[in-house]
Amino acid sequence: GAVVSQHPSWVICKSGTSVKIECRSLDFQATTMFWYRQFPKQSLMLMATSNEGSKATYEQGVEKDKFLINHASLTLSTLTVTSAHPEDSSFYICSASNTESRGYTFGSGTRLTVV
Amino acid sequence: KQEVTQIPAALSVPEGENLVLNCSFTDSAIYNLQWFRQDPGKGLTSLLLIQSSQREQTSGRLNASLDKSSGRSTLYIAASQPGDSATYLCAVGGYSTLTFGKGTMLLVSP
Repeated sequence: GAVVSQHPSWVICKSGTSVKIECRSLDFQATTMFWYRQFPKQSLMLMATSNEGSKATYEQGVEKDKFLINHASLTLSTLTVTSAHPEDSSFYICSASNTESRGYTFGSGTRLTVV
Repeated sequence: KQEVTQIPAALSVPEGENLVLNCSFTDSAIYNLQWFRQDPGKGLTSLLLIQSSQREQTSGRLNASLDKSSGRSTLYIAASQPGDSATYLCAVGGYSTLTFGKGTMLLVSP
């Protein structure tokens, strides 16, 4: 079945540094990938939609300069949290649309803690 | 704007019980509906995907139904087991969007 690999699974960084999270579709091509964040006991909130070879579309209230998304190939999208602050600590999950099944496959998530 | 509601928010049952999780959505113009499982601190595992033209899908002890006209879906879990304990999320798929409910936290006790 379709597999999406997300790396790292957890990261701790100092305030002011940048962190990059990778999302890879392992056995299918993903023209569209999605980035979500999830706060404790809350549901997933869509941050942005990334399309291969074009600029990402950000949801209202999401700072595009802070959350940089790159989707340079059909199998890889990256999310870079720039100048991270403690309030950016959250669980970030990526997903890719699978045109074959017409469903969505999710990565295992990244727990970001900014200290 | 699509809104997805899941009831109940939490559910605790003894092992062996059959149970039903409910999901409702406000906009019936959907492409599909997907049920996910999320274990604490983990990503999402897809359980069942129902296309808009389908009425139900089954996988093992799980059965999900979809009634687009009334904006409802149910996830039926038969003979629940402690390993079923997790948060179950309902997500409604639009053209290029996926809207999640807040989930039902299920605890199955031995």
